[in-house]
Amino acid sequence: AQSVTQPDIHITVSEGASLELRCNYSYGATPYLFWYVQSPGQGLQLLLKYFSGDTLVQGIKGFEAEFKRSQSSFNLRKPSVHWSDAAEYFCAVGEKGSQGNLIFGKGTKLSVKP
Amino acid sequence: KAGVTQTPRYLIKTRGQQVTLSCSPISGHRSVSWYQQTPGQGLQFLFEYFSETQRNKGNFPGRFSGRQFSNSRSEMNVSTLELGDSALYLCASSSGTPVNEQFFGPGTRLTVL
Repeated sequence: AQSVTQPDIHITVSEGASLELRCNYSYGATPYLFWYVQSPGQGLQLLLKYFSGDTLVQGIKGFEAEFKRSQSSFNLRKPSVHWSDAAEYFCAVGEKGSQGNLIFGKGTKLSVKP
Repeated sequence: KAGVTQTPRYLIKTRGQQVTLSCSPISGHRSVSWYQQTPGQGLQFLFEYFSETQRNKGNFPGRFSGRQFSNSRSEMNVSTLELGDSALYLCASSSGTPVNEQFFGPGTRLTVL
């Protein structure tokens, strides 16, 4: 069965510091991978996605993620964190034709120190 | 384009009651998925509708049901509410193509007392 693991429940970084959020997935074929962000009391906003091709994908708000098949990972990165990035981040996996079913990780809550 | 809208945004019910939540997808999107989000279980898939047909269903009891109308709007219904049904219910829409990029609404916060 597909699964997604986000090992870090909570991460605190200083404003201006770099960020890496980890995501590992378990899936037999090449998955479709997503990162979403959720601010308190809000829905999920898509940051970026990987379907195929270049393994380094760029997203909104200065985020990027790298797909590493050998490590079954899809880590999210940002070179310089802003206070407004404080939120919860979710990694998700889907498959072609899976008919609307995304499998989500448990999320990583990001706090930003001034 | 307007985003995904969900109504109501907040709801308080008591145990044993039933509730209906509504979701209007992005114009042109034919697929609507529903998810339940709780602190303990995280985001869990409930079901997905495409062109008025349920295509996929998660592991939830039969008290959770849904439907989709010809204009792609969707409703989900929870009967005989339990305390554990308190959650944020998120609706997501997509075009329904094989690549399932989903766009989420703000959610409906359901509290069961």
